[in-house]
Amino acid sequence: DGGITQSPKYLFRKEGQNVTLSCEQNLNHDAMYWYRQDPGQGLRLIYYSQIVNDFQKGDIAEGYSVSREKKESFPLTVTSAQKNPTAFYLCASRSDRVNQPQHFGDGTRLSIL
Amino acid sequence: AQSVTQLDSQVPVFEEAPVELRCNYSSSVSVYLFWYVQYPNQGLQLLLKYLSGSTLVKGINGFEAEFNKSQTSFHLRKPSVHISDTAEYFCAARGDSNYQLIWGAGTKLIIKP
Repeated sequence: DGGITQSPKYLFRKEGQNVTLSCEQNLNHDAMYWYRQDPGQGLRLIYYSQIVNDFQKGDIAEGYSVSREKKESFPLTVTSAQKNPTAFYLCASRSDRVNQPQHFGDGTRLSIL
Repeated sequence: AQSVTQLDSQVPVFEEAPVELRCNYSSSVSVYLFWYVQYPNQGLQLLLKYLSGSTLVKGINGFEAEFNKSQTSFHLRKPSVHISDTAEYFCAARGDSNYQLIWGAGTKLIIKP
């Protein structure tokens, strides 16, 4: 079945560590997204990518980095510069066709030890 | 400024009762509107979308929404809720770019037995 796979489901980080969240899709979608979700705040866009080797900052990119070396993969690195990384992270993708909806993975919950 | 407003952070309702979850959008956003559902510790799933045509849109799980241009609203309704409808519901609208969505803060639907 086609879909989006995020791993791991739960992730713990020590202070000062970088961690990388995985997102893989087999939907042949061109665009991919990373969102951060905090209680009561909805979804906030971190980064998005429209094509391979290209990505743009979203509303809260500080302290995060991404790469898009393959169409199927869009990993997110939470760096030590992100002072409040505890959150639920969602990856999404969508077709390049106009007004198509975004499809989501099941998320990764990141916590600080 | 472009915005999507969900007027209620929580909506409690008895099982088998009807429910309406409210969503208003700013007139500056595109009228391409979406409702998503998020079950606990999962990603988001598309419920329904309005792109054009009939203002009454039917979605999955018995939900429907009505697009009202004069009131800039896109309220979600279900005539009879079930305990399995317990989830958070997000309204979203396409922004300036075909690639980005503007998200509401979400409404938690709480079903009382």
